Amino acid sequence: GQQVQQSPASLVLQEGENAELQCNFSTSLNSMQWFYQRPGGSLVSLFYNPSGTKHSGRLTSTTVIKERRSSLHISSSQTTDSGTYLCVFPYQGGRALIFGTGTTVSVSP
Amino acid sequence: ETAVFQTPNYHVTQVGNEVSFNCKQTLGHDTMYWYKQDSKKLLKIMFSYNNKQLIVNETVPRRFSPQSSDKAHLNLRIKSVEPEDSAVYLCASSIDWGDYAEQFFGPGTRLTVL
Repeated sequence: GQQVQQSPASLVLQEGENAELQCNFSTSLNSMQWFYQRPGGSLVSLFYNPSGTKHSGRLTSTTVIKERRSSLHISSSQTTDSGTYLCVFPYQGGRALIFGTGTTVSVSP
Repeated sequence: ETAVFQTPNYHVTQVGNEVSFNCKQTLGHDTMYWYKQDSKKLLKIMFSYNNKQLIVNETVPRRFSPQSSDKAHLNLRIKSVEPEDSAVYLCASSIDWGDYAEQFFGPGTRLTVL
């Protein structure tokens, strides 16, 4: 079946460090979305990124459609960045969404 | 900032009972969705409403029915719950329908059927 692999599975950072999260898709895609979730919290949309590079504050998302991958870069991490980062892509014409396995980020002061 | 609201957060009920879940979005979006989350990796779309018109009705059991009073509200009713209905139900909205549009999710309603 369709798969979305994220790496690393978990990441421990010291405040101020940068991080790169990867997402790889098993099939071709037209668009994808990055979400952030705190334990027990809602899914918060970070980027809707069909292709190219997008910036939002200290976050940068780069999607390369042809290579079936997307990355999320966190610069100058803060403790409030702690949580789970999920990449998502639609399939079956948008009738279902596949979530990646997630990267759990923990930033200590 | 939460802009898609769902109630209740949790619901525990017995087989055969009727339940209703509410969803409201304040984003001014035209399209709303209900998804069923059986596992972490896959959300399956159940219904989608575009500006009060049902545009996707996947092959879900007939005991599930969507209800929409206006484009900001999309509720979900389950007439007679079954054990396999235990799941997290997620409501979402997007600015419009078409190729996958950016989704904004509510916090979810966790249903447990005893």
